[in-house]
Amino acid sequence: QVQLQESGPRLVKPPQTLSLTCTVSGASISTDSHYWNWIRQPAGKGLEWIGRIYTSGKTDYNPSLKSRVTMSIDTSNNEFSLRLTSVTAADTAVYYCARVTEDSTGWYESLDFWGQGILVTVSS
Amino acid sequence: DIQMTQSPSSLSASVGDRVDLSCRASQNIARYLNWYQQKPGKAPKLLIYAASNLQSGVPSRFSGSGSGTHFTLTISSLQAEDFATYYCQQGLMTLSFGGGTKVE
Repeated sequence: QVQLQESGPRLVKPPQTLSLTCTVSGASISTDSHYWNWIRQPAGKGLEWIGRIYTSGKTDYNPSLKSRVTMSIDTSNNEFSLRLTSVTAADTAVYYCARVTEDSTGWYESLDFWGQGILVTVSS
Repeated sequence: DIQMTQSPSSLSASVGDRVDLSCRASQNIARYLNWYQQKPGKAPKLLIYAASNLQSGVPSRFSGSGSGTHFTLTISSLQAEDFATYYCQQGLMTLSFGGGTKVE
């Protein structure tokens, strides 16, 4: 069974950098039919896609966060990471990592496995 | 960017009711639309992919329809465990989610 687990500091001071890692088990991170995502959810609010990273290292980011986000992938340890710089209280949220997979046609993709989420609070 | 709009933001329903949730895209996304269910304190769970395909293990009372800019998630007979928040997500370009519909 595929499992994803977020880890990292749960409290970050502004305007420092938020750093999280997602460790994947039960599947290799080095597959062309998947890519790896970060999504966040402020308390009581909806889901916000942060960005994605492919095995090749190619990334795409949400335009609203692009200037502050960096993602990386470590295939040897089967994990990928998120860095968000210059954080403010508005970055307080539950952060999820999730896998996108293709369907049998190869045309359609969906977020099929998610981590449990980690609450990161930005406060001095 | 593609904007996703869900309506209503919340709805009140009873066990056994048929429930229809709406999701609209700001531009044509063909069938690149997925639906997720989220319960409090839990990660979202994939219900429907490619607009109308039921994810493995999801009860058949859930169904999805639509293409282009208008999509619907239908729960044919609401069960107690279905009280949750539902999100649509487009996958045509970089991902984006609707604001969610809470079924209570």
